[in-house]
Amino acid sequence: AQSVTQLDSHVSVSEGTPVLLRCNYSSSYSPSLFWYVQHPNKGLQLLLKYTSAATLVKGINGFEAEFKKSETSFHLTKPSAHMSDAAEYFCVVGRGSTLGRLYFGRGTQLTVWP
Amino acid sequence: DADVTQTPRNRITKTGKRIMLECSQTKGHDRMYWYRQDPGLGLRLIYYSFDVKDINKGEISDGYSVSRQAQAKFSLSLESAIPNQTALYFCATSDLGTSGGITDTQYFGPGTRLTVL
Repeated sequence: AQSVTQLDSHVSVSEGTPVLLRCNYSSSYSPSLFWYVQHPNKGLQLLLKYTSAATLVKGINGFEAEFKKSETSFHLTKPSAHMSDAAEYFCVVGRGSTLGRLYFGRGTQLTVWP
Repeated sequence: DADVTQTPRNRITKTGKRIMLECSQTKGHDRMYWYRQDPGLGLRLIYYSFDVKDINKGEISDGYSVSRQAQAKFSLSLESAIPNQTALYFCATSDLGTSGGITDTQYFGPGTRLTVL
């Protein structure tokens, strides 16, 4: 079975400080892992994707995530938050079968204070 | 132009009405998906289609039906809308399912906000 747990429903940071959004997964297969971002009144945009090529994955807008198999974690980080990072972030696991289904976490709302 | 488009973007309807949400894509992908998003629940899969002749139920298909009119078009219908179907609906596409153990990226439309009164 596959599941995703986003450990924080809301995270607030000040502009210029680091961002950490936490995600744990469970998967019966070697997982494909994604982070998507949803800005207000927008669709979902892919931030980054882990496909086993490298454990540290770099995405768009300065975000990166590290796959830690021993901890079953895939936390999203950014060294310095920007006001434009305020959005909802989803951690997603892909089922390791030909079906290609995705399983979404419940989301983390990131607030960035000036 | 956007690769995945959804119409309408917003819709308000009454209980018992039939509603159709439409999705079109220009990415040339075979696989299409319908999700609903509720606050605090993430996205849940309603239906998915691997090609025009292949349609499958997702986690929450009750009360919904779909039609794959062509490779590029995938419609979601609510036969008799009820208030708890008020949600944000997303269409998505992908080229492949899983290849070499890697799940393909899905690309999302902008969403349709549906309100059932």
